[in-house]
Amino acid sequence: EDKVVQSPLSLVVHEGDTVTLNCSYEVTNFRSLLWYKQEKKAPTFLFMLTSSGIEKKSGRLSSILDKKELFSILNITATQTGDSAIYLCAAGRGNNDMRFGAGTRLTVKP
Amino acid sequence: DAEITQSPRHKITETGRQVTLACHQTWNHNNMFWYRQDLGHGLRLIHYSYGVQDTNKGEVSDGYSVSRSNTEDLPLTLESAASSQTSVYFCASSSGTYNEQFFGPGTRLTVL
Repeated sequence: EDKVVQSPLSLVVHEGDTVTLNCSYEVTNFRSLLWYKQEKKAPTFLFMLTSSGIEKKSGRLSSILDKKELFSILNITATQTGDSAIYLCAAGRGNNDMRFGAGTRLTVKP
Repeated sequence: DAEITQSPRHKITETGRQVTLACHQTWNHNNMFWYRQDLGHGLRLIHYSYGVQDTNKGEVSDGYSVSRSNTEDLPLTLESAASSQTSVYFCASSSGTYNEQFFGPGTRLTVL
């Protein structure tokens, strides 16, 4: 059975801290790994990773995929209160659907 | 600008009633998806469609149905609403070239 597991489920840090969010996956016909940020509304796209070992970066956020060990990490450096959100990881399959993890709820305190 | 919209945004209904949630996208995407989101479960796929007249069951399809008569719309119907279907429902679409999906704003459904 396909599954995507995220850890930790919740995390509380202070502004300026660096955080690492984890996502492991086991899906058939894996094609891509996606990260989304969800605040009080719809998920918004952050990254899509298809190749192992190539880091994608956007400002203070970065992510990398390991297709051999079947996991991805999302790093956020110098966290800000605006980073507080649920971060969702999803494994995209060859038939264009995705399996989502349960999410990591990040709270950044001032 | 292209977008994806859902209606209604909030709905309260009674057990046993039929409910239809609308999803409309102007991206001209072939692929459309319905998810439900519940605490502790993330997003779970209900039904999806790869094009007009195509529909497929997802991981939690029991009690739901969809139909795809045009590219822009994928309405989700709850045949006989149950309290277990109280949830937030998201519609999404993708072009199919890559897996990135664009999400609608969500519909909060309460079944009493």
